[in-house]
Amino acid sequence: ETGVTQTPRHLVMGMTNKKSLKCEQHLGHNAMYWYKQSAKKPLELMFVYNFKEQTENNSVPSRFSPECPNSSHLFLHLHTLQPEDSALYLCASSQTSSGNYNEQFFGPGTRLTVL
Amino acid sequence: AQKITQTQPGMFVQEKEAVTLDCTYDTSDQSYGLFWYKQPSSGEMIFLIYQGSYDEQNATEGRYSLNFQKARKSANLVISASQLGDSAMYFCAMREAYSGGGADGLTFGKGTHLIIQP
Repeated sequence: ETGVTQTPRHLVMGMTNKKSLKCEQHLGHNAMYWYKQSAKKPLELMFVYNFKEQTENNSVPSRFSPECPNSSHLFLHLHTLQPEDSALYLCASSQTSSGNYNEQFFGPGTRLTVL
Repeated sequence: AQKITQTQPGMFVQEKEAVTLDCTYDTSDQSYGLFWYKQPSSGEMIFLIYQGSYDEQNATEGRYSLNFQKARKSANLVISASQLGDSAMYFCAMREAYSGGGADGLTFGKGTHLIIQP
């Protein structure tokens, strides 16, 4: 595997289900990100992890719970979701940088539908 | 207020023509970075080009160039000699002043849907 992989690619879940999204990066990066892409809205940053530590939570509801066990893996645990949470969830990784150059490499995303 | 504004929801362009995708941004920081990403229908975001706020030259990467006008807070993407494979969503994004730790999320615009016609 190369780059950033995400599983599953598609997920349909009920509002009472618990599921998890997985992201893995094979680029040796130390920062990982979760973004949400809803229809007709810009990508929204959800969480940032740097060397496994969460450095940013962009006011995300607690029904989304991230986990970063190491710099290569990132999970997003989902529970009691709402239909408006249906979206494409994108994972990204980057090498931390002291400058503004912060090219983020994205995975293919998980298309989530909440019924 | 939007930090990144892309005013063209959709564009149709003839193959082999040049195309300019508009992007304006809003920041009070002196140090920032601007990015363009391409998103084909498969969903993956593909990095195209980067411009730093202190870079004096406009960035270029193959057929992509960035027309950076700092005073106007504009960072338009120019694609020369468009190809059918260029059909996709294009997003402008910004990283504002380094906030510590070296990992900062990007702020994205709503995107432009570019369709290249044969």
